[in-house]
This record gives sequence, structure tokens and C-alpha cells, in this order.
Amino acid sequence: DIQLTQSPSSMSASLGDRVSLTCQSSQGIGNYLSWYQHKPGKPPKPMIYYATNLADGVPSRFSGSRSGSDYSLTISSLESEDTAIYYCLQYDEYPLTFGSGTKLEIK
Amino acid sequence: EVQLVESGGGLVQPGRSLKLSCAASGFTFSNYGMAWVCQAPTKGLEWVASISTGGGNTYYRDSVKGRFTISRDNAKNTLYLQMDSLRSEDTATYYCARLNLGADYFDYWGQGVMVTVSS
Repeated sequence: DIQLTQSPSSMSASLGDRVSLTCQSSQGIGNYLSWYQHKPGKPPKPMIYYATNLADGVPSRFSGSRSGSDYSLTISSLESEDTAIYYCLQYDEYPLTFGSGTKLEIK
Repeated sequence: EVQLVESGGGLVQPGRSLKLSCAASGFTFSNYGMAWVCQAPTKGLEWVASISTGGGNTYYRDSVKGRFTISRDNAKNTLYLQMDSLRSEDTATYYCARLNLGADYFDYWGQGVMVTVSS
């Protein structure tokens, strides 16, 4: 099975900071990676698909990038509503796998 | 408006069965692949199972193979998850999710339904 390693597992940052979350794949998955924002009591919300594409309705401060098997979700200027757990998901092959998540908090 | 509404969750004893439903509306259900994703208490998201548009292709995570069955009724716009031989480790919130048409990601999710397996 493909393993996705997310780092850091948790972090805190200040409002307005630039924040980058990382997801590393154990094998090549091309661009078949998406990112989801998950807040307590709510369903996950898609943020990025195909590694770099912004999902509908997602603010432009979010972006996705890829370097080899390393994928990043970047928030250019952190806002209070961005507090959540962020998960990556690979859709290259079954079984589909999620990363273990990065908990993002505001300082 | 796309809506996915899960039902059928609850408290069940180990070894018993439960069937989850996900009623879809606001889109042509038969055109979309669908899936179930779960989150156990204090744990992360886990993919459970997926099904193709016509139901002919199904995929499962290893821990549920032979115990869970994903199915769909396109005439009723409903996705199902039959859960047999339930174990305590199946305790989780279960979400149904729609696979985006043309792009491989889950673009819409239900609110989730809780399944608790306990004696």
C-alpha cells in the first residue's frame, strides 16, 4: 500500500503567516493527490486536487505544489478560519490512503 | 444543490450487522463514482470502500474485505454500506463522498453518521 507521511503532525502559527504543510508519498503517484480541510463536527472539505488545482470556492491564499514525491499545501497569509486538520489523499491506486493529518492552530 | 445524507448508524453489538444508506440529490447520481470514508474517535480519515458508476466495480480496504459490502441503487439515488461481523475497531463516523467527474478527488461529502460497536 502507498503510504503518505504528513509533516509536521501539528503546528501553530500567527495570523498573516505563510504556512506550508508537507505530504510525502512512499512511491510515485504522479499528481493524484488531493488535500482536505477537516474541522470538528463538519465533513472534510476539498481544498486542492491533482496536486496543484484549487477546488471550487477555496480562497486563493491556498495553493498546492509538487516536487517529486513531496507535495505541499501552502497558505500564503494565515487567517483564523484556517484552524483545522489537513489531510492529503492519494488516488493513484487502491487501496486509497490518507496521510495522518497536520493539525494547524493559531498562536 | 448537491446533497448527500447518511442514515442507518447507531449502537450495535460486536458480531452483528448494520446497513448504512446515503441518499443523494442535486446531481445525476448514476454518473458518479462514490465511496465511504470513516474516522474513528481521535483518529484520522480512512478510506473504506469505493464503487463505480454502474456498481460493477467495487474496492475495499483490507480490514473490511469479506465483512463490508458497498452497493448502490441508481434508480433510488442511494449508496449503501452493508456492515457485517462488526468489530469494536469499526466504531467511527462514516461519511459518503462523491468522486468528482473527470478529476480524482472527493468533491462532496455527507455530514457523516456515527457507528458504535460495543457490548
